[in-house]
Amino acid sequence: GAGVSQSPRYKVAKRGQDVALRCDPISGHVSLFWYQQALGQGPEFLTYFQNEAQLDKSGLPSDRFFAERPEGSVSTLKIQRTQQEDSAVYLCASSLEVSGETQYFGPGTRLLVL
Amino acid sequence: GENVEQHPSTLSVQEGDSAVIKCTYSDSASNYFPWYKQELGKGPQLIIDIRSNVGEKKDQRIAVTLNKTAKHFSLHITETQPEDSAVYFCAANPTGNQFYFGTGTSLTVIP
Repeated sequence: GAGVSQSPRYKVAKRGQDVALRCDPISGHVSLFWYQQALGQGPEFLTYFQNEAQLDKSGLPSDRFFAERPEGSVSTLKIQRTQQEDSAVYLCASSLEVSGETQYFGPGTRLLVL
Repeated sequence: GENVEQHPSTLSVQEGDSAVIKCTYSDSASNYFPWYKQELGKGPQLIIDIRSNVGEKKDQRIAVTLNKTAKHFSLHITETQPEDSAVYFCAANPTGNQFYFGTGTSLTVIP
C-alpha cells in the first residue's frame, strides 16, 4: 500500500523566502507528526496533529513556523522568511494510533536556505 | 523534557557478528521505546519497539532489552548482514505525543 509521501523532496530557497512543505499521510491515520532533522542528528519533534486538531506545537522553533491539517489528512508545514539555520530535512510521520506509537515516516523534504 | 543518549555513534562489525547499540533516557515517565533504521536519503523505518511492561522483545535477528530501573534500553542485531548497514535511532516517549530521539548510530557491516 501507499506509504507517507512528502513533496517537494528538495527545496532550495533564498534567505527571506517563504516555503511550504507538504505531507500526505497514510490514509486513515489519525496522528501526524512533523520533525526537523539536522545533518548527523536524530529527528526533533516540531508539532503533532490528531485529525485536524493541532494538539502540540511546542517544538516549533519560532513564530515563523506554521503547520496545518485542515481536513485531517494532508498537512502543510510553512516556514516564513526562511533563515539559513532552517536548513534541514523535514520529516513527516503518521500513525493509526491516537498515542502516536508505530509511526511511519515519509522520505523527508531537504530544505537548503542560501 | 526527556533526554535520550545513544552510544556508540559509529559501529563497524564483520558480517555474521552481532551488533549492540545502547540508549539511556532521563524521564522515568517514558513508557514506549521504538528503534528506527534510516538509510541514506530515506525516512526512518520502525524496526522494533518495546513498552515499559516488557523486559525483552525479539523479532528474528533483532531484539530489544529494557531496564526501567537503570533507564536504559538496547538494540541487539545478530548474524549481521551488509544490508543491515544504516543509521539506527532509538527514541523514548514520556508523555503526550512527544517523541525524543537519540543522536544515531552509524552501523557498517563489513562483508
